[in-house]
Amino acid sequence: AQTVTQSQPEMSVQEAETVTLSCTYDTSESDYYLFWYKQPPSRQMILVIRQEAYKQQNATENRFSVNFQKAAKSFSLKISDSQLGDAAMYFCDLWEGGSEKLVFGKGTKLTVNP
Amino acid sequence: DTGVSQNPRHKITKRGQNVTFRCDPISEHNRLYWYRQTLGQGPEFLTYFQNEAQLEKSRLLSDRFSAERPKGSFSTLEIQRTEQGDSAMYLCASSLGQGLTFSGANVLTFGAGSRLTVL
Repeated sequence: AQTVTQSQPEMSVQEAETVTLSCTYDTSESDYYLFWYKQPPSRQMILVIRQEAYKQQNATENRFSVNFQKAAKSFSLKISDSQLGDAAMYFCDLWEGGSEKLVFGKGTKLTVNP
Repeated sequence: DTGVSQNPRHKITKRGQNVTFRCDPISEHNRLYWYRQTLGQGPEFLTYFQNEAQLEKSRLLSDRFSAERPKGSFSTLEIQRTEQGDSAMYLCASSLGQGLTFSGANVLTFGAGSRLTVL
């Protein structure tokens, strides 16, 4: 069964600094996608970044980038130049080929200190 | 189109009562998902529709839960004889899928959720 583990329940970062959120996953499929979603307080979940498993190149979206280590089944999110608006719950998610659902980790609460 | 809309945003009910939540997806999206999120946890999959067909249901969806999407547009999630353990945020999401096969283009757009409190 697919699982997603986020080992950091909470993280904090100073504004303008860089922070890395960790995620490991387990799947027996060779075809899958990995996502990071962000859930700000009392607001809806939004997609931050997506990585296709078959692509070796790490995905990047402006200040957000991932470190995808396929053999280690690791998928960390790096946020550069952190902003106050980055404060949120961050969920690491797995979507397997042949499945039709996202499997979520338990989330990491990110606090950005001014 | 203002995104995925969920109503009501908050519902407080007494144990044993029935509740219904509504989700209006993005109009061109053919796929619709329901998730449940309890405090301190990530969302858990409940069920999924492709147009009006309910294609997958989680074992979390007991007999007291029923979901419909009668015309392939909005969806309702009904919980009968609510229990305190049903207290959670119920999230709806939609996406534009391509047929019944897996597609990495299936990026989900989530609604703000409907929070249920069962007293």
